[in-house]
Amino acid sequence: QQPVQSPQAVILREGEDAVINCSSSKALYSVHWYRQKHGEAPVFLMILLKGGEQKGHEKISASFNEKKQQSSLYLTASQLSYSGTYFCGTQDTGANSKLTFGKGITLSVRP
Amino acid sequence: SQTIHQWPATLVQPVGSPLSLECTVEGTSNPNLYWYRQAAGRGLQLLFYSVGIGQISSEVPQNLSASRPQDRQFILSSKKLLLSDSGFYLCAWSLGNYNSPLHFGNGTRLTVT
Repeated sequence: QQPVQSPQAVILREGEDAVINCSSSKALYSVHWYRQKHGEAPVFLMILLKGGEQKGHEKISASFNEKKQQSSLYLTASQLSYSGTYFCGTQDTGANSKLTFGKGITLSVRP
Repeated sequence: SQTIHQWPATLVQPVGSPLSLECTVEGTSNPNLYWYRQAAGRGLQLLFYSVGIGQISSEVPQNLSASRPQDRQFILSSKKLLLSDSGFYLCAWSLGNYNSPLHFGNGTRLTVT
């Protein structure tokens, strides 16, 4: 089942912070985050496994709340290069490893 | 290091014509391979995935098919294209475990006219 991402779109100025959410109705084993620039392929950002871990990559970090079946991506002090569409992909606790992606959130960072 | 090649980059085909998109991976063995489609303004829809040669799982019933004739080669085909087949097609690979990210090719922009 497709995870639900919110909000639908984000517009912010350079240096501002943003939070993007990803929710599932199923128990999850992992959550992946990807960013896609217009006309390009999605690029992997990070994976979070069940256990409620939090990860960070430069000024982008994420958390995974296993009980709430929800993950959040935090972008701090946003840069122009952060603009793009952010997708979360979820893997449930089944034996296969294929991802189910949300519809994506468009984030625009303006000068 | 691992690389993924996908071609062609763009394709314009008339309705009813056949389709063949190819994807190859280098630098790894027995990867999981995937075909995704991204329609304008929509998310990533998984079309097919393969965990080994000749093993294809279809996620969405449609007029597309996939084949994996070699370990690191994945082909997406259609005998007769429909207008609704237009979109951005992405091939991807992974190691197949929960810790493994997807690595996408550069995609093929298909326009069916």
